[in-house]
Amino acid sequence: NAGVTQTPKFRVLKTGQSMTLLCAQDMNHEYMYWYRQDPGMGLRLIHYSVGEGTTAKGEVPDGYNVSRLKKQNFLLGLESAAPSQTSVYFCASPPTSGSTDTQYFGPGTRLTVL
Amino acid sequence: AQKITQTQPGMFVQEKEAVTLDCTYDTSDQSYGLFWYKQPSSGEMIFLIYQGSYDEQNATEGRYSLNFQKARKSANLVISASQLGDSAMYFCAMRESLTGNQFYFGTGTSLTVIP
Repeated sequence: NAGVTQTPKFRVLKTGQSMTLLCAQDMNHEYMYWYRQDPGMGLRLIHYSVGEGTTAKGEVPDGYNVSRLKKQNFLLGLESAAPSQTSVYFCASPPTSGSTDTQYFGPGTRLTVL
Repeated sequence: AQKITQTQPGMFVQEKEAVTLDCTYDTSDQSYGLFWYKQPSSGEMIFLIYQGSYDEQNATEGRYSLNFQKARKSANLVISASQLGDSAMYFCAMRESLTGNQFYFGTGTSLTVIP
């Protein structure tokens, strides 16, 4: 039982390049979230999913796309990376939709866009 | 309006002393949850403690307790007997039913424990 894993852990991109971040969870959770963390800003929700085949926009969705083709995987894509997307990206997954449940975090992906 | 406000960017505490990290929240929902997470310099997010909006008693988890004042919409984290390993960023978060059970985070408080 690995919990929530993220691939890759680090990545450096040039402006305009594309990439996909993979989040995987083996806990059979329905909900999955993608956040970005910037200094002084806390964590901000990019996109989230409430189940296989569903996605929704969070607070800062521009420049990102997501897909949830399989329940255990939640992909975050950057089609044309910009320096403003330099950040640490966290995936997280709570066990239920209830407000009582915390979320389990992946280890994070540190992305630098030059 | 900010859903979660943490007004202390940085805090210092002497080892073995207690420290309170402030958190206020904004919601019109009746059902919500309040959470505290710790982020050490290694970067992972660690869940510390949870308080439900309907819980009448303050939550406690070991050296962590949550001072929940519903009428004032505050959910302060109290760490007793601080240890050097408590030095980290601390984030307050809220999950409410009204907005699809999303989590909202504050900007965090950096705690430094002084030996």
